Amino acid sequence: QSALTQPRSVSGSPGQSVTISCTGTSSDVDNYDYVSWYRQHPGKAPKLMIYDVTKRPSGVPERFSGSKSGNTASLTISGLQAEDEADYYCCSYRGTYTSIFGGGTRLTVL
Amino acid sequence: EVQLVESGGGLVKPGGSLRLSCAASGFNFRNYDMNWVRQAPGKGLEWVSSITNTHIHYADSLKGRFTISRDDAQNSLYLQMNSLRAEDTAVYYCARRPSAIGGFDLWGQGTTVTVSS
Repeated sequence: QSALTQPRSVSGSPGQSVTISCTGTSSDVDNYDYVSWYRQHPGKAPKLMIYDVTKRPSGVPERFSGSKSGNTASLTISGLQAEDEADYYCCSYRGTYTSIFGGGTRLTVL
Repeated sequence: EVQLVESGGGLVKPGGSLRLSCAASGFNFRNYDMNWVRQAPGKGLEWVSSITNTHIHYADSLKGRFTISRDDAQNSLYLQMNSLRAEDTAVYYCARRPSAIGGFDLWGQGTTVTVSS
């Protein structure tokens, strides 16, 4: 199965809000409320930012929020900061203990 | 300190084998679903395999070439990779998941596997 679909890039100015979409199918995003989001800076390991569609791990700022409608999940980052410039990946459970990632989105803070 | 540390990566010829290891510390290893996730150069993340106390699962693309295992007494996770191909070239990350369906909440720094003649 192909990766979940994400825009290749998004951008925003400091203080603004951006939303990154993640589109799947009835076999993954649409069927399970187990979408997670990861931030990855160049040369570093990914970091969990959102899990179970809307939940934030301890230590992740409230500026990060998640949502889902049908087969599309979204990550919204408000009050953009320079440190938010990174690659972002969504991931969905797709049954029988398997997972699928999105292709990734490069966020540029202008 | 809560951490995962991968090792075992390197340069291997096409058709060769390699065994990756992941040493866990600072948490109760046996209580977690453990995974391998890889990232080819300049590409996105790809889930490879997961193992719990009762389940083992692989990405369909691996076609039986990889075998995941764990040793809870040694707090270690392994990935045996056989019949390696150029497209297996990637950074391989060990990742922890509190349940078999949730997010990956702890990642190692990765180990690089290069398949080339």
